[in-house]
Amino acid sequence: DQQVKQNSPSLSVQEGRISILNCDYTNSMFDYFLWYKKYPAEGPTFLISISSIKDKNEDGRFTVFLNKSAKHLSLHIVPSQPGDSAVYFCAARNAGNMLTFGGGTRLMVKP
Amino acid sequence: IAGITQAPTSQILAAGRRMTLRCTQDMRHNAMYWYRQDLGLGLRLIHYSNTAGTTGKGEVPDGYSVSRANTDDFPLTLASAVPSQTSVYFCASSDRTTGELFFGEGSRLTVL
Repeated sequence: DQQVKQNSPSLSVQEGRISILNCDYTNSMFDYFLWYKKYPAEGPTFLISISSIKDKNEDGRFTVFLNKSAKHLSLHIVPSQPGDSAVYFCAARNAGNMLTFGGGTRLMVKP
Repeated sequence: IAGITQAPTSQILAAGRRMTLRCTQDMRHNAMYWYRQDLGLGLRLIHYSNTAGTTGKGEVPDGYSVSRANTDDFPLTLASAVPSQTSVYFCASSDRTTGELFFGEGSRLTVL
């Protein structure tokens, strides 16, 4: 059973609008959450993270929200740009410093 | 700055053959990892190494082995490849203080 789930395999958004990518987890022992971005034929790269003691972290156009009671986190990108088109993976870290990844969401930002 | 280097970039392999995917990092990170990426399943951990001389099993270790003779190198070996091992393999290393993973560009393996 997947401990980290991204239920939307794909998302299409118009340039300039907000993109919201969602992620749910089941393990309440996760203490740190990360988002990675992956372009075709490249390895994933770190985008933004949030500690379990916070509910929001913002970095430029990217904001991650954490709702611990719902075991849910989301990544907001605003305004979305065509260069944001990629696969986004959420990941959760346990006490052993291991990351568990979700299945990924492919974001397409249309010009 | 090289970061993580993986080789080969892609490989087609007959079932039953032995294959080693190479991974080298130049960031002096203690921890290294091998993941496989499959559609809809995300990145699944195969094996990891917290420091040179030690290794551990991840979520999907069967059919794979690793070694960590030194800090920089972490090869992944398929002793007898099977078609279900067709995947994209990513090597990664991490700064243990932040937990952030740095990934290589991947090795696409096709087992026929």
